[in-house]
Amino acid sequence: KAGVTQTPRYLIKTRGQQVTLSCSPISGHRSVSWYQQTPGQGLQFLFEYFSETQRNKGNFPGRFSGRQFSNSRSEMNVSTLELGDSALYLCASSPSQDLNEQYFGPGTRLTVT
Amino acid sequence: GDSVTQMEGPVTLSEEAFLTINCTYTATGYPSLFWYVQYPGEGLQLLLKATKADDKGSNKGFEATYRKETTSFHLEKGSVQVSDSAVYFCALSLGGSARQLTFGSGTQLTVLP
Repeated sequence: KAGVTQTPRYLIKTRGQQVTLSCSPISGHRSVSWYQQTPGQGLQFLFEYFSETQRNKGNFPGRFSGRQFSNSRSEMNVSTLELGDSALYLCASSPSQDLNEQYFGPGTRLTVT
Repeated sequence: GDSVTQMEGPVTLSEEAFLTINCTYTATGYPSLFWYVQYPGEGLQLLLKATKADDKGSNKGFEATYRKETTSFHLEKGSVQVSDSAVYFCALSLGGSARQLTFGSGTQLTVLP
């Protein structure tokens, strides 16, 4: 089975721009979660989607948003980028029968200049 | 709120040495506990998990036991290899219908030949 894939792997944007990141979960997984990883704050939960519905959201400003499509693929969007948004963004998918276990993709490295 | 506290790193060991990475947690409910590993330039890989008290998770020679009385989930390996060099994250999930992992700060392990 193919693992979680994320595109693009690397991205450079300018302050004020917006960005969209994509995640394709493992086939058959219906839950997709997003995390931000920075040296200062570590790994922080952004949000989780299941069957196209956002079920849980972390403590991030409204500039961070996401969605999930009917094929379980997910996108996250960050608007009005700030320097502090530079991070590794990780997507994880979870099988419906064991919702505690999450499988991570390689991440998208976003650099904001 | 829920939190995970990990042993401060970095940790440097010689090949075949014994490894312990301490992890303690605070949670309002009864969490599942995980260890994830991150190799350079990659996402997180699930190393092992335990879902109830006294459960022992094990994988690739690594072990951790869920100790409810001490709220701990320490990672151990009897004989480390150079290929074990990575960052190790302890995490908890309270489960339920929504997925959210709360991570520790990570421990960098370097194994020297």
